[in-house]
Amino acid sequence: SAVISQKPSRDICQRGTSLTIQCQVDSQVTMMFWYRQQPGQSLTLIATANQGSEATYESGFVIDKFPISRPNLTFSTLTVSNMSPEDSSIYLCSVDRGMNTEAFFGQGTRLTVV
Amino acid sequence: GQQLNQSPQSMFIQEGEDVSMNCTSSSIFNTWLWYKQDPGEGPVLLIALYKAGELTSNGRLTAQFGITRKDSFLNISASIPSDVGIYFCAGLSRTYKYIFGTGTRLKVLA
Repeated sequence: SAVISQKPSRDICQRGTSLTIQCQVDSQVTMMFWYRQQPGQSLTLIATANQGSEATYESGFVIDKFPISRPNLTFSTLTVSNMSPEDSSIYLCSVDRGMNTEAFFGQGTRLTVV
Repeated sequence: GQQLNQSPQSMFIQEGEDVSMNCTSSSIFNTWLWYKQDPGEGPVLLIALYKAGELTSNGRLTAQFGITRKDSFLNISASIPSDVGIYFCAGLSRTYKYIFGTGTRLKVLA
């Protein structure tokens, strides 16, 4: 398995502001993913964070709203920009050591936008 | 986005009972995963399945990879109060993305 640390674990933010969430892994991993989990819902993939290149976004998610960095094989950040109450969700970082293996999750960041 | 259908959506059971839940898809997957999520936590991997027909156990949990590769089942035997939580299935797509199920919310009555 992998030990994944996310910061912050929770935050309450004002609408119109931005929040950057950090994800640190205890070992080098190939694939890092960011998910959103809206209240009472399942997990929806936002994007795949690619080391050394731009993230790959899923349909319905754009870079201007969710910029992602991946400076190395153990770290990534997700920024939620110009927040509105609809952005209130749990944001989860996930890693996969290689193709066709298991995905492991951080504890999540619970974001409330007021 | 694409999601897998899980049933039941929620269930209340008595402590000691066995639990069964399933996950179905219109697409074929080569890997099936089962996760449990406790309140305020990220999902924790319970069982991973890699081969059609495979049956794998982890303590009181048993999961099966359906022969058609379009479904999977999770059974929990002799449930205990700490089994409460949300159980998610996930399939690994051909593009190496994990697609998650709609979730089964389990409540155990002592």
